Amino acid sequence: RKEVEQDPGPFNVPEGATVAFNCTYSNSASQSFFWYRQDCRKEPKLLMSVYSSGNEDGRFTAQLNRASQYISLLIRDSKLSDSATYLCVVITYYGGSQGNLIFGKGTKLSVKP
Amino acid sequence: EAQVTQNPRYLITVTGKKLTVTCSQNMNHEYMSWYRQDPGLGLRQIYYSMNVEVTDKGDVPEGYKVSRKEKRNFPLILESPSPNQTSLYFCASGRRQGVVTDTQYFGPGTRLTVL
Repeated sequence: RKEVEQDPGPFNVPEGATVAFNCTYSNSASQSFFWYRQDCRKEPKLLMSVYSSGNEDGRFTAQLNRASQYISLLIRDSKLSDSATYLCVVITYYGGSQGNLIFGKGTKLSVKP
Repeated sequence: EAQVTQNPRYLITVTGKKLTVTCSQNMNHEYMSWYRQDPGLGLRQIYYSMNVEVTDKGDVPEGYKVSRKEKRNFPLILESPSPNQTSLYFCASGRRQGVVTDTQYFGPGTRLTVL
């Protein structure tokens, strides 16, 4: 099983739709999770952190399911401007001076008029 | 304005000709990192640095060198570039969080082509 996996998509949805992406991780010791957004040929930008209790920012909701080892991103009322690739990031601390940070390969979202 | 800058943004070179891609951040971040991004492979970490004079290998360090002589700068050096190093490169910085980082801020990217 790969350390961090995402469905590459593309997810093609109409404007106004609700869409959800998952990102699974293999290391149960992983502790920090994030969602980044990347527009075509541009740099990734932080969308939101993922907290154990879940968090919401406008139309975006992020959740963590530790038991099943995945994080999710829900986008409500999709806009054309939401079209992008969404990357998950998983950070694992191994103790001492060891830790790693892994990006998923991303899920591409295309919102159509 | 808080930012990460990279130069050059675009570079076409030939096999074996040494090159350096510069990265600079003005946010006083301890953590800096280099990634390459290739179709189907996603973002892969090349090297990272937790602080001045401290650097560590990422997942794909072969063929690359880095240095961290100052907190704000983290240049990526290709001593003898090869065509398989043709890629989109991103520099990133962030606050140190334990032995890694949390939020990362990315530079605009450098598109490198090695002929």
